[in-house]
Amino acid sequence: DAGVTQSPTHLIKTRGQQVTLRCSPKSGHDTVSWYQQALGQGPQFIFQYYEEEERQRGNFPDRFSGHQFPNYSSELNVNALLLGDSALYLCASSEGQGRDYGYTFGSGTRLTVV
Amino acid sequence: LAKTTQPISMDSYEGQEVNITCSHNNIATNDYITWYQQFPSQGPRFIIQGYKTKVTNEVASLFIPADRKSSTLSLPRVSLSDTAVYYCLVAPLSNDYKLSFGAGTTVTVRA
Repeated sequence: DAGVTQSPTHLIKTRGQQVTLRCSPKSGHDTVSWYQQALGQGPQFIFQYYEEEERQRGNFPDRFSGHQFPNYSSELNVNALLLGDSALYLCASSEGQGRDYGYTFGSGTRLTVV
Repeated sequence: LAKTTQPISMDSYEGQEVNITCSHNNIATNDYITWYQQFPSQGPRFIIQGYKTKVTNEVASLFIPADRKSSTLSLPRVSLSDTAVYYCLVAPLSNDYKLSFGAGTTVTVRA
């Protein structure tokens, strides 16, 4: 049973560019959350998608947007990249009603903005 | 949002038991305590979750006193591969909750 799959694994972008990261949730999971993890810090919540709608959002600017598709997969888009957006971006999936068994995280996408 | 406090780092040796205590003085009635483990360049991995008393699985044990203002994650007989960052989180089980992680505890296991 495949877990959470994220692509690409690594990415280098230039300031001002736009980036799209992709996530396929674990089989049977319908809720996808995105996290940003800067070096040496814990993951910070960006937003969560359920039934193709953004259900919760953390303290991130509108440059960060997302989408969830009917098959529950999700995309994270970041516009007008800043150097400070360099981080590990993690996708986590869970079942819609709760997280009795915790979130399942992917291995992340390492984004470097130069 | 119940804030958690845990040690920044802990050192141990192979075969020893590691106990990480997390303080959460403002825990709410419907909050559960969850621990995650993270290796470098990987996403966090769920370890254990509990509400009160003691929970044990094949990886760890979680001890929660009656007042629930703290909890202790116990890792029995650690090995080098248990070197990782361990996060303590307190939140309701409901999915519509902004779950964010603190800095965690870096556990280093030496030979």
